[in-house]
This record gives sequence, structure tokens and C-alpha cells, in this order.
Amino acid sequence: GENVEQHPSTLSVQEGDSAVIKCTYSDSASNYFPWYKQELGKRPQLIIDIRSNVGEKKDQRIAVTLNKTAKHFSLHITETQPEDSAVYFCAASPFTGGGNKLTFGTGTQLKVEL
Amino acid sequence: DVKVTQSSRYLVKRTGEKVFLECVQDMDHENMFWYRQDPGLGLRLIYFSYDVKMKEKGDIPEGYSVSREKKERFSLILESASTNQTSMYLCASNPLTTGTDTQYFGPGTRLTVL
Repeated sequence: GENVEQHPSTLSVQEGDSAVIKCTYSDSASNYFPWYKQELGKRPQLIIDIRSNVGEKKDQRIAVTLNKTAKHFSLHITETQPEDSAVYFCAASPFTGGGNKLTFGTGTQLKVEL
Repeated sequence: DVKVTQSSRYLVKRTGEKVFLECVQDMDHENMFWYRQDPGLGLRLIYFSYDVKMKEKGDIPEGYSVSREKKERFSLILESASTNQTSMYLCASNPLTTGTDTQYFGPGTRLTVL
């Protein structure tokens, strides 16, 4: 089955700096890669996703890049703000058409310091 | 707005007890999922269901079973709770429609088995 590795497990940045979280996956059939943000005590929420036919996707301060050849994808957050502090999870899925079974990474605790 | 609710936020049970965790979604979603979340391990899929009375094993189904008698409700059952099942349990749902892969999560149930 799919295996998703995520690094780093913790990341501390100064407000205004950029943050990068990287994930690798093992199953070449995976073609859907979402990123979820989980604030303390709250439920995970989708912040951005990318499909295998796209190399990069951007939404305001966040962007995701995908390298299918190398089987890795990354989340980039620019101009970080204190409200970006949270745990971020990457995931991968071979979209089956009948619903997607996501395999998650182990999470990255991002701390944005003032 | 999608709403996924779980029957309890916190639950304390004794070893050997039968435990029921319930999840309800109000958006007529076909797909429902149960995950457990542990520090350093991310979210791991226990079971999922594509339709009423249908279920499929996820990555860690041992010690768990599920029931889906109605489309809106997906129950996770611990037949005989053990201390290693102490965890945060998250339910999620999404529709069958191609292209809508976002999984919507419930608030979670923090289960402690003594």
C-alpha cells in the first residue's frame, strides 16, 4: 500500500519568513495530494490540494508543488503569520472514482514566532 | 455548510468494555471514514464505507468493526476496548462525485481506556 513520509516533524519560523514542508510517497498510482491544517483542539481542514496533471498550484500565501517523477510534493507558506501556527498534514490518494482513500503523513507542527 | 458531528468529545471506558463511537453527516455524502490520530503517527485509516451496509478495511482495522445502517450515520465499534486503543478518533465524509475529493472531518472523540 501507499506510504507517505513527511518532514520536518517540527518547524519554527519568524513571522514574515517562509515555511516549507516536504512529503514523499511510494505508490506511483497516487494522483491526488491534499494538505490539511489542524489548529490546536480543532478538526483538520483542507487548505490546498493538487492533482497529478498539475505541477504547481497557488492560493494567496500558500502553494503546493508536485514532482511525480521523484514522487514528492511540498507545501510552501510565504509571509507567515501567527495564525499559520498549526499542525499540517500531507496526504496521497489513488483516486478511485468511488471516493478517495487518503494515506496521511505524520504531520508537521509549525510554530510562527513573533 | 457541511456538518459532521460525533457523539462525544471525550469518553472514558474500562478495559474490556464494548465502545460505540457514532458519526453523523448532514450532506448526503456517500463516503464515510474513521481515522485514529496519535502523536507522531498522523491520521491512520481504520475503516471506510462507500455506501449503506458497505465497508472496507483501512490500514489498521484490527480490534475495530463498523456499522453503516443509514447513509448519514457511520459507527465505529470497539468490541473489547484495550488500553492501546486510547486515542483521538476522527470521522470524515465526502461525496461520491468525481472531482470533489475534500474530506470533511468531525470534531473528534478523545477516547481513554483505563
